[in-house]
Amino acid sequence: GDSVTQMEGPVTLSEEAFLTINCTYTATGYPSLFWYVQYPGEGLQLLLKATKADDKGSNKGFEATYRKETTSFHLEKGSVQVSDSAVYFCALSEQGAQKLVFGQGTRLTINP
Amino acid sequence: EPEVTQTPSHQVTQMGQEVILRCVPISNHLYFYWYRQILGQKVEFLVSFYNNEISEKSEIFDDQFSVERPDGSNFTLKIRSTKLEDSAMYFCASSLGLAGLFDEQFFGPGTRLTVL
Repeated sequence: GDSVTQMEGPVTLSEEAFLTINCTYTATGYPSLFWYVQYPGEGLQLLLKATKADDKGSNKGFEATYRKETTSFHLEKGSVQVSDSAVYFCALSEQGAQKLVFGQGTRLTINP
Repeated sequence: EPEVTQTPSHQVTQMGQEVILRCVPISNHLYFYWYRQILGQKVEFLVSFYNNEISEKSEIFDDQFSVERPDGSNFTLKIRSTKLEDSAMYFCASSLGLAGLFDEQFFGPGTRLTVL
């Protein structure tokens, strides 16, 4: 079945550092890909999405490109802030399906 | 801004007891979902619900689980006889139900269920 694998956490960086969180997927069809973020005490929020190969999703300085050839959707940000500290989840959804398939989440801590 | 709410934030119960986890989805949403995350593991889909019936469920969602929309605002997950392995964070979500388009799911903050 479909699955998503994220890099193990936790990840700790200093403010203004470059961030990469790796995500790879296995899917039978042509899924849509997502990054969700969970801030402390809150629900998962959609951060960005890409619905087809080579699409780039972006939001709040974060970017991820749908790479079909490497089945990857790595999350990047050029200069992280303390406020980016949260848990990040990579996820996919097959066409026509309602359910989301999540990775295990990566806890990110940014130190000032 | 409308949001999905869940109560309680933390529920502790004894093995074998019934629990009901409650969610209030966003008011104009038509699809409702439950997911769970066992500590240290992935967020897993349990069930989706539309038009007062289950539209999809995972193999985790066995006869011990049931969902209900008892009124116009609440969406509940019932576990009939809890087991130790049901201990997890349970997330409710809702979406507009946009056929053929990207249908964003909005998540609640979760209920942490601890089974002793």
